[in-house]
Amino acid sequence: EVQLVESGGGLVQPGRSLRLSCAASGFTFDDYAMHWVRQAPGKGLEWVSGISWNSGSIGYADSVKGRFTISRDNAKNSLYLQMNSLRAEDTALYYCAKGYGDRLGDAFDIWGQGTMVTVSS
Amino acid sequence: NFMLTQPHSVSESPGKTVTISCTRSSGSIASNYVQWYQQRPGSSPTTVIYEDNQRPSGVPDRFSGSIDSSSNSASLTISGLKTEDEADYYCQSYDSSNHWVFGGGTKLTVL
Repeated sequence: EVQLVESGGGLVQPGRSLRLSCAASGFTFDDYAMHWVRQAPGKGLEWVSGISWNSGSIGYADSVKGRFTISRDNAKNSLYLQMNSLRAEDTALYYCAKGYGDRLGDAFDIWGQGTMVTVSS
Repeated sequence: NFMLTQPHSVSESPGKTVTISCTRSSGSIASNYVQWYQQRPGSSPTTVIYEDNQRPSGVPDRFSGSIDSSSNSASLTISGLKTEDEADYYCQSYDSSNHWVFGGGTKLTVL
């Protein structure tokens, strides 16, 4: 069974950092692009960042560029999101999502359950 | 970057057919594939349509997708509505500069 399990969320003060992880299982991780998508409470979906199978292509939403860094460790079947200089508006449920293919531009097919990040003093 | 605009909400009766639109603000709707995701309350999104009109395995053929270049929009059509179809639906497309764009979402009420 294909599974994505996010972790690392929590309550953090503005300006601090947090690192999210996504553990993948049930598929050949390094065959697929991966993404982070967030959803603020009561709001819609917002793509945050994506990475191709070999980390050769990476993209960020303008709202997080320069503050967040996506990475992956294919040997550990894991995706990461390093979030620095956090702001109140980064408060959201963060989903990990798998692409249909290995490129950044391939659609998403499987989503995790999400990990909640709350930025507040 | 472009935007994808969806109606905030739609409602229809069980057994009927509903269509949700997704209009691209700039650039051709046909230049990049459109996906549709369903999100039931309290759950993660799931894919109901990918690459404009393809259904993942397990998605019933009551769900169909299309694009219309004349209106520069994509549509998700759900026929034979069931109460279980009540959910938020999001369209999505790729901006070739390594960005993905989601529509604002449409709340479907089946009453």
